[in-house]
Amino acid sequence: TQLLEQSPQFLSIQEGENLTVYCNSSSVFSSLQWYRQEPGEGPVLLVTVVTGGEVKKLKRLTFQFGDARKDSSLHITAAQPGDTGLYLCADLSGNTGKLIFGQGTTLQVKP
Amino acid sequence: ETGVTQSPTHLIKTRGQQVTLRCSSQSGHNTVSWYQQALGQGPQFIFQYYREEENGRGNFPPRFSGLQFPNYSSELNVNALELDDSALYLCASSYGPGGQTQYFGPGTRLLVL
Repeated sequence: TQLLEQSPQFLSIQEGENLTVYCNSSSVFSSLQWYRQEPGEGPVLLVTVVTGGEVKKLKRLTFQFGDARKDSSLHITAAQPGDTGLYLCADLSGNTGKLIFGQGTTLQVKP
Repeated sequence: ETGVTQSPTHLIKTRGQQVTLRCSSQSGHNTVSWYQQALGQGPQFIFQYYREEENGRGNFPPRFSGLQFPNYSSELNVNALELDDSALYLCASSYGPGGQTQYFGPGTRLLVL
């Protein structure tokens, strides 16, 4: 059974700071996805990465996929209060659409 | 375009009771997946429905069952509720069982006392 481990579990920073959160898998990812979930809402897809070594940018968010396709990082530049939420990494099984999630990193950005 | 909707938003039940949760998929989506999210955890896959049939199941006992209707909406039924069933139940819709993008609803918060 694949296990996804995210670190840190909780992060509290001031507005304007940079941060990086990590996701490590016990086995090779089929298709790695990052989500953000705000309180009272379902997760919202941020990005999908498939190729080892791939880097994707979404405004102030940079997603990096490890060469061996077993780890990933999410870097946020100049964090804003609107970035507050639970960041989840997940592996998407191509055949069934089943998502396996990590436990998430809770980010709090204080104004 | 209507997003994924779920009802009810909150629910309180007692141990041993049965519950039915409902999900309407996003317009044009024919696949619905259900997830359980315990407090402080990531969502766990319960099962997926495609063309009104179960298409994959996670590590959940048979007292968790579901249905999908011709309009692609879906129900999650849980019998003999246990305290550990207290969680946020999320449904997600996609186009096809292997759809890259799943759109999640806001969830139903279930509390079992």
